[in-house]
Amino acid sequence: AQTVTQSQPEMSVQEAETVTLSCTYDTSENNYYLFWYKQPPSRQMILVIRQEAYKQQNATENRFSVNFQKAAKSFSLKISDSQLGDTAMYFCAFMKHFGNNDMRFGAGTRLTVKP
Amino acid sequence: DTGVSQNPRHKITKRGQNVTFRCDPISEHNRLYWYRQTLGQGPEFLTYFQNEAQLEKSRLLSDRFSAERPKGSFSTLEIQRTEQGDSAMYLCASSKMGETQYFGPGTRLLVL
Repeated sequence: AQTVTQSQPEMSVQEAETVTLSCTYDTSENNYYLFWYKQPPSRQMILVIRQEAYKQQNATENRFSVNFQKAAKSFSLKISDSQLGDTAMYFCAFMKHFGNNDMRFGAGTRLTVKP
Repeated sequence: DTGVSQNPRHKITKRGQNVTFRCDPISEHNRLYWYRQTLGQGPEFLTYFQNEAQLEKSRLLSDRFSAERPKGSFSTLEIQRTEQGDSAMYLCASSKMGETQYFGPGTRLLVL
């Protein structure tokens, strides 16, 4: 079974600074996907970034980038130039490449961006 | 593309009552997933459909829960004889096979 661990229940960062959220996972699969989703207060979950395990290059989406370490089973999210609108719960998720593709989520990290 | 929609957004019911939730996926997505999210936790997989076929159910899905996707489009999740422990956010997501899942806004259920 796949498990996803987010060891930081809460984090805070000053506006315009950089913050890194940690995620580790456990799997015996070789082909899979990893995701970061953002869930703002009382709003729906939206995709932040996606990484395919077979790609060595780390994914980047504007101010969001990941550090994917396959051997270490680590998948951290870096948010640069933090904005007040980045305040949200952030969930790391794992999905097998084959099969039913149900996602396994971590418990989340609550990020607060302070003005 | 209007995204994934869910109705109702909120539901308050008394213990023992039945409730039904609806999910309308993104139109070209053949896969539809139901998750449950309790306060302070990440979503947990309940069940999924590929077109109209329900292909997997989690052990979290007790026999009081039933889901359907009769024509491979919208889906319903019914909970019979609700219990206080069923109080949670019920999330629906849709995708093309093997691709990113997009979530709806969820239905928040409170069982009194």
